[in-house]
Amino acid sequence: AQKVTQAQTEISVVEKEDVTLDCVYETRDTTYYLFWYKQPPSGELVFLIRRNSFDEQNEISGRYSWNFQKSTSSFNFTITASQVVDSAVYFCALSSYGNNRLAFGKGNQVVVIP
Amino acid sequence: NAGVMQNPRHLVRRRGQEARLRCSPVKGHSHVYWYRQLPEEGLKFMVYLQKENIIDESGMPKERFSAEFPKEGPSILRIQQVVRGDSAAYFCASSVREGGTDTQYFGPGTRLTVL
Repeated sequence: AQKVTQAQTEISVVEKEDVTLDCVYETRDTTYYLFWYKQPPSGELVFLIRRNSFDEQNEISGRYSWNFQKSTSSFNFTITASQVVDSAVYFCALSSYGNNRLAFGKGNQVVVIP
Repeated sequence: NAGVMQNPRHLVRRRGQEARLRCSPVKGHSHVYWYRQLPEEGLKFMVYLQKENIIDESGMPKERFSAEFPKEGPSILRIQQVVRGDSAAYFCASSVREGGTDTQYFGPGTRLTVL
């Protein structure tokens, strides 16, 4: 079975602070895929990033960065210099090779205080 | 390009009525997925469809729920004889075939309220 755990339910930060969201996953598959999605207050789900299990290169995209550590089964997400528009629920998700079913974590509610 | 379209955005039904949720995938996408987001729970997979075929319905409740993706037209998630516990946000996603697994792009969701 696949499982995604996002332990922090709500995180509040003051604008311009950095915020890191933890994601820990469980899978028996050797090839799998990890995703982060953002759900702003308007409710839609926005795709942010996809990572393959065989690609541990970390990435920075603007104010977003991701840290994939296969050894600890973690796929953490950092927002640098947070802004009010970053206030949203962030979901980590997992799927396996050949299986398009996404298993989601319960989400991290990020509140950026001006 | 238009993203995934879902309608209606909000739907109110009384217990016992039927709910029909529609999803038009991104143009060129032939795979559609439905997920449900219940209060206090995360997003849960319901069903995966390709044109005219149900590929994986392992997350669908055994009764009252059905889904289709016809050759022409949108995908439909149908809930018969709705109950209060069906109140949730229902999200549709679509994808195009990639290697290994597809990246799913989500619609804005339909918020179903059962009175």
